This record gives sequence, C-alpha cells and structure tokens, in this order.
Amino acid sequence: QSALTQPASVSGSPGQSITISCTGTSSDVGGSNYVSWYQQHPGKAPKLMIYDVSNRPSGVSNRFFGSKSGNTASLTISGLQAEDEADYYCSSYTSSSTLGVFGGGTKLTVL
Amino acid sequence: QVQLVQSGAEVKRPGASVKVSCKASGYTFTNYGIAWVRQAPGQGLEWMGWISGDNGNTNYAQKLQGRVTMTTDTSTSTAYMELRSLRSDDTAVYYCARYYYGSGSRMDVWGKGTTVTVSS
Repeated sequence: QSALTQPASVSGSPGQSITISCTGTSSDVGGSNYVSWYQQHPGKAPKLMIYDVSNRPSGVSNRFFGSKSGNTASLTISGLQAEDEADYYCSSYTSSSTLGVFGGGTKLTVL
Repeated sequence: QVQLVQSGAEVKRPGASVKVSCKASGYTFTNYGIAWVRQAPGQGLEWMGWISGDNGNTNYAQKLQGRVTMTTDTSTSTAYMELRSLRSDDTAVYYCARYYYGSGSRMDVWGKGTTVTVSS
C-alpha cells in the first residue's frame, strides 16, 4: 500500500485538460513544499516533470502545472497530446522517514 | 550532458547477491546524492534508499535494512547498490537517480535501469 493515494487511471481527449490528484497527510504532502511529479513511458525510466510543488525543470512543457491544497497535490496537464500518455507518479518528502514516499501511480490515457 | 549509466541486466538464484553500478558524468558528483528506486513488473516505484555523494551517509528503506548496502567511489563518480539474500520478489528494474536534497528533495536525472531477475 502506497503512502500517497493517486487515482489508478484518468483519461482525456487531445486538446483537453486533465488533473491527477495525490493525497497524503500532514506528515508528507500537507507539511512539505517538496512534492514532485514523474512521468514514465512504458519500458522507460521516470522523468522529473514538477518539483517543489509547482516548479518545472528546464525543458518541460508549460502545459504541465503543479499545485497543492492542504494534504492534496495536483498535476494538471493542459492541451493534452498523444505523447502525454504515460504513467505519472507523485512523490513527497515525509517527516516520518529519511526517505521520500511515492504515490501508487496514475495511468493517463489520451483517447 | 548530465547522465547516469547503469550496469547490465543480471540473473541470480535465490539467496545470491547482486551489485549494480551507476556511473555519473557531466556534473560534480559530490554535490548531489544518488537515490535507488526499484520497480517490480507491473508495479509502481519503490524507494530503496539514498547515499550522499560527499560523505557517503546512507539512508535505507526499513524493509531492506540488513540486506542492502549503498556505496560510492568518488574517484570514478560511481555509485553501487548491493542487495543480498535475494528472493523472487526482488525481481525488478533497479534505477539510480541523481538526488537533490537539502533545500529540496527531487530526483532530477535517472539512469535507464538495470533488470534483476531472481529465479531458480
């Protein structure tokens, strides 16, 4: 059982926007500004898409937007493209461990 | 460019050990940590632990304590992860990632992964 809760799957049509949620507790998401999001295509390594809740690394499209409210972080992808179809994982610093915690992952399908 | 190059796939018998390497290039190795993450077939990502690139301090997942050892060789900018007493449920892809810690917590560059298969 993952420490952070994500929906198993979400879907959207090209051009639409979708949001993936990541729910934790006050010990992790709610108490931390160190929430990150990773994209993983089948058979590939994860790729950092968002860090520190809402920052995009250089080279990541501005269609990816991160936010947080209370114990829930969110990843919003606007203008969906076929290449966005992948698994997405959230991760957070946690005060109860020297390691971070991952969410269980969300499969995004672009219809 | 910044990259992490991992060693090749391994097939091991139950009870054996495996040691995976991760060679870093394109940045100052001692300015970052190296995190290890594994992914069992069809499953999500699992933190294994991380090691500081400067002083070698380690932090391991509780479930792996006693079976895992992470080390670094700063002379070659290489990190190693050894897992002992292998079981079938250790079958997974093992990733190393550059780990930024301190005023932040993120894995910003990943290796391509090393497949470890444990089978009799």
